Amino acid sequence: SQQGEEDPQALSIQEGENATMNCSYKTSINNLQWYRQNSGRGLVHLILIRSNEREKHSGRLRVTLDTSKKSSSLLITASRAADTASYFCATTGGGSNYKLTFGKGTLLTVNP
Amino acid sequence: SQTIHQWPATLVQPVGSPLSLECTVEGTSNPNLYWYRQAAGRGLQLLFYSVGIGQISSEVPQNLSASRPQDRQFILSSKKLLLSDSGFYLCAWSVTGRTNYGYTFGSGTRLTVV
Repeated sequence: SQQGEEDPQALSIQEGENATMNCSYKTSINNLQWYRQNSGRGLVHLILIRSNEREKHSGRLRVTLDTSKKSSSLLITASRAADTASYFCATTGGGSNYKLTFGKGTLLTVNP
Repeated sequence: SQTIHQWPATLVQPVGSPLSLECTVEGTSNPNLYWYRQAAGRGLQLLFYSVGIGQISSEVPQNLSASRPQDRQFILSSKKLLLSDSGFYLCAWSVTGRTNYGYTFGSGTRLTVV
């Protein structure tokens, strides 16, 4: 069953703009992770935030976590056409600290 | 460095035929191994995971099975494929005993059952 639900399902922006994707989940978590998938390819791990962390940065990525609202957001700053991909949030927890449960993803299109 | 290999990249199989997808990991020992399936435009569904040789846990009842004959080898099989088995199959590994590490995914197998 799906744990995370990303919002929006699709997002189209212009190059240089910021992109924000949101994720909500239902049960307690150990950590929350964001992955990227280019069309027809495998997933690439972007960033992991632990349940006791509130914000994390990696390059142009910024992730926030609000465990009281069971939600997370991924911000990509100064987007590029190469950022076009699907982005998934995934969680571990709820008694299993190594099984990842994925949401359905947000399709991000960055127009040049 | 660790790498994960998954093959074949694409596969077209008739209904009722057998299936064998293989995944191998290099550069690490005793990894946790996973098989996921992704339907078109959907998220990933965990099918099987393994924490050691011969240890397989199934998440979704279906006509698929998994085996781990060697530490770094994970195989997804079916005796008779159904149309509903079509999808994008992804193998992944993670570090055993470490809960705050990400997964590393293979490049996937696109399976079309006709």
